[in-house]
Amino acid sequence: DAGVIQSPRHEVTEMGQEVTLRCKPISGHDYLFWYRQTMMRGLELLIYFNNNVPIDDSGMPEDRFSAKMPNASFSTLKIQPSEPRDSAVYFCASNLRGLAGGVDEQFFGPGTRLTVL
Amino acid sequence: RKEVEQDPGPFNVPEGATVAFNCTYSNSASQSFFWYRQDCRKEPKLLMSVYSSGNEDGRFTAQLNRASQYISLLIRDSKLSDSATYLCVVNILTGGGNKLTFGTGTQLKVEL
Repeated sequence: DAGVIQSPRHEVTEMGQEVTLRCKPISGHDYLFWYRQTMMRGLELLIYFNNNVPIDDSGMPEDRFSAKMPNASFSTLKIQPSEPRDSAVYFCASNLRGLAGGVDEQFFGPGTRLTVL
Repeated sequence: RKEVEQDPGPFNVPEGATVAFNCTYSNSASQSFFWYRQDCRKEPKLLMSVYSSGNEDGRFTAQLNRASQYISLLIRDSKLSDSATYLCVVNILTGGGNKLTFGTGTQLKVEL
C-alpha cells in the first residue's frame, strides 16, 4: 500500500493567496484527519471525517479554513485568504475503526510544509 | 492548562543509557493512550499503545497511572537511532468519535 498521500509537499505563497492542500487516505480507511503542526503549538487537530462526513471541525481556526471530502479517496483543506501565521506543516492522517470500537493507529501522510510570506 | 503536557527536553543521553519520559493529561475521561515517535521533518508514527497493566516492546516500556493521570515511556539501552521526538497521545471517546490529542513532544538526542 502506498500509505497516505499528500500534495504538494511544499508550498510557498504570498499573503492573501488561496492555498489548497490535498490528501488521499489509505484505501479502505473510514476516518480522515487534518492536523497542523507548529513549534509553538505542536500538533493540533483541525477537522476529521468519518465516511466522508465531517464529524468535528472545532479545531478549524477561523472561516478562512475549509475542508471537504467529496469521496472516500480524496480530501482537500483550503485556506483563503492565507496569512503568514498559517505557516506550518499540515498533516493528513487516516485510520480504520476497529471492530471492537476501539481506537486504532492513525497513519500520517508526509505532510505539506506551507510558508506564507 | 494544556490537555496533554510533556517536558519538551531535549534529553541528551549517551548511547546505552536508560531514559524515561513522563506525560500528564487533564481529562479524566480519557480512554486510550499512545506514544508516537516523530523523526525530524517526518510524520508521526505509532510507537506503542499504553495499557493500564503496563506493556513492553523490546527496549521500550510504557506505563499508565490513571489515578495520577500520567503516562510514562522508558527506553533501555538507548541507540543512536532512538533520537527523535516522542509524542504522548490521549484519546477521549465522544459520541463515536475517534479523536486524538497530542502533546507537544519530548525531544531525545542519543549521543556517542
